[in-house]
Amino acid sequence: AQRVTQPEKLLSVFKGAPVELKCNYSYSGSPELFWYVQYSRQRLQLLLRHISRESIKGFTADLNKGETSFHLKKPFAQEEDSAMYYCALYSGNTGKLIFGQGTTLQVKP
Amino acid sequence: DSGVTQTPKHLITATGQRVTLRCSPRSGDLSVYWYQQSLDQGLQFLIQYYNGEERAKGNILERFSAQQFPDLHSELNLSSLELGDSALYFCASSFRDRDYEHFFGPGTRLTVL
Repeated sequence: AQRVTQPEKLLSVFKGAPVELKCNYSYSGSPELFWYVQYSRQRLQLLLRHISRESIKGFTADLNKGETSFHLKKPFAQEEDSAMYYCALYSGNTGKLIFGQGTTLQVKP
Repeated sequence: DSGVTQTPKHLITATGQRVTLRCSPRSGDLSVYWYQQSLDQGLQFLIQYYNGEERAKGNILERFSAQQFPDLHSELNLSSLELGDSALYFCASSFRDRDYEHFFGPGTRLTVL
């Protein structure tokens, strides 16, 4: 079964602290994984995709096929990073994006 | 605003009723996706249309139906509403079929009393 799991509903850290938002997936085949973000009063939008191996707003995510994980990391959290983060798995066969439950990141001053 | 638009923003109705949610994709996008977001289920894929044709189906109830019109806007019809249908309904669009990059609308919040 295709599934995305984000074990933490809420992650609260202080400004300047490292952040790791966990994501695990279940997929038979070569996965395509993404992180979407929803800032307060804004729309859900694509943050980054594993295939590009890019860093967006200081965030990176590495696909670990052995652990079936795609954790989102940032070395030093900023208050403006506070948002809801969704990990998503793209199923090319069906054209579906399968989202995790989402994790709210709260960065305290 | 050339982004995805959804109407209405809020909808309050009673059990057993029927409602229609409307979505207009970004200019030029051919695919429209519908998602349901509830507190306990997260963001659930309902259905996708591409250039007027149904392309993919997710966890969409039989009481729900959707269509995409020639001008590419889409409507999601929810009937025989139950309390559990209360949720935020998002529409997203993309240019191509089978595209991972979705552009989301602001959502319609449905409350069933």
